[in-house]
Amino acid sequence: AQKITQTQPGMFVQEKEAVTLDCTYDTSDPSYGLFWYKQPSSGEMIFLIYQGSYDQQNATEGRYSLNFQKARKSANLVISASQLGDSAMYFCAMREGRNKAAGNKLTFGGGTRVLVKP
Amino acid sequence: EAGVAQSPRYKIIEKRQSVAFWCNPISGHATLYWYQQILGQGPKLLIQFQNNGVVDDSQLPKDRFSAERLKGVDSTLKIQPAKLEDSAVYLCASSHGQGAGQPQHFGDGTRLSIL
Repeated sequence: AQKITQTQPGMFVQEKEAVTLDCTYDTSDPSYGLFWYKQPSSGEMIFLIYQGSYDQQNATEGRYSLNFQKARKSANLVISASQLGDSAMYFCAMREGRNKAAGNKLTFGGGTRVLVKP
Repeated sequence: EAGVAQSPRYKIIEKRQSVAFWCNPISGHATLYWYQQILGQGPKLLIQFQNNGVVDDSQLPKDRFSAERLKGVDSTLKIQPAKLEDSAVYLCASSHGQGAGQPQHFGDGTRLSIL
């Protein structure tokens, strides 16, 4: 079974509007972390935001916020006031905490490509 | 602070040849990762080092891939011999530790094309 699922292969969004990127995950580990990364066409992976499984509040970081619904095992990324520079691939990733031998390996989803239209 | 440095940026080789990639992590970061990202997919972990010891290499094709981090700082990843399916971007990442919320910081990657 896929551990991280991103069902939207691509999305268009109008500049200055908000966009929500879906991410669902599968784990039996009670301790885990969820990360979102941005990958522009240049290739580097840029860390955006983190949500821990025990965090009581949804994470926010500037224009990025995470809609964490633990019971549904979803961790959707919301980008507010989209900018042309937000055009990129976005990856959701999970770190499971129980297996110490695995360190903090990240398991990535397949990504969602976002294109911001002027 | 300087980011994760990787070289070369691009590499084109023929199948059955060998190739090596180099990574220098962020200063002070004890944990180093090598990921393989095939076109259209998310990155997949190949190997993780904690200082100069291997933490996880369960997805490293050990018959052809090898990696080392001898002095606990920079690292090399080698493929010998290369196959067509090895065409991918190889990403190096580092983190300060293995704490819960420690993000991994990535380099720009090496784009490998196998002819």
